[in-house]
Amino acid sequence: NAGVTQTPKFQVLKTGQSMTLQCAQDMNHEYMSWYRQDPGMGLRLIHYSVGAGITDQGEVPNGYNVSRSTTEDFPLRLLSAAPSQTSVYFCASSYSLSGANVLTFGAGSRLTVL
Amino acid sequence: EDKVVQSPLSLVVHEGDTVTLNCSYEVTNFRSLLWYKQEKKAPTFLFMLTSSGIEKKSGRLSSILDKKELFSILNITATQTGDSAVYLCAPEGGSQGNLIFGKGTKLSVKP
Repeated sequence: NAGVTQTPKFQVLKTGQSMTLQCAQDMNHEYMSWYRQDPGMGLRLIHYSVGAGITDQGEVPNGYNVSRSTTEDFPLRLLSAAPSQTSVYFCASSYSLSGANVLTFGAGSRLTVL
Repeated sequence: EDKVVQSPLSLVVHEGDTVTLNCSYEVTNFRSLLWYKQEKKAPTFLFMLTSSGIEKKSGRLSSILDKKELFSILNITATQTGDSAVYLCAPEGGSQGNLIFGKGTKLSVKP
């Protein structure tokens, strides 16, 4: 049981390049989400999905796309990278504990945009 | 607008000390409040609280939720160097029912 797996762990991009951060979970969780973490800003929600074929925007969705074709995978696409997207990105999936969503996080992907 | 404020932002203590971390929140459609610990990598789950006055305990860590005054505290007794981490408070709610994270409290425990 690998939990939540993110790739790559590190990536350097040039402004304007595109890329996809991969996220996969093997816990059969319906809910998955992407957060970014910046110094002094805490974790901010980018996009989330409550099941295959369903996605929605979080607090900071601009510049990112997601899709959810299977329960296991939830990739995050950067369409045209900008220096403001330099951050650590966390993918998470959740199980329900007494009705609350308890997030399990991946190890994170550190992205630098030059 | 939903808001989560944690205090202090950082704290330095010595091993054996007791610490109290604070979290106040203003969140619509509040459902529960979760605490996470983040060392150098991903946050890991500590507690989930849904009812006021219920104290959750796990070893040296305990937490209380006050739904009337809209705050939660996380207590750590007899601190150890392994407790050094950022502690994140995350109420669940808002217009989309997601977790809304505070900025965290960075705890450093010195030997």
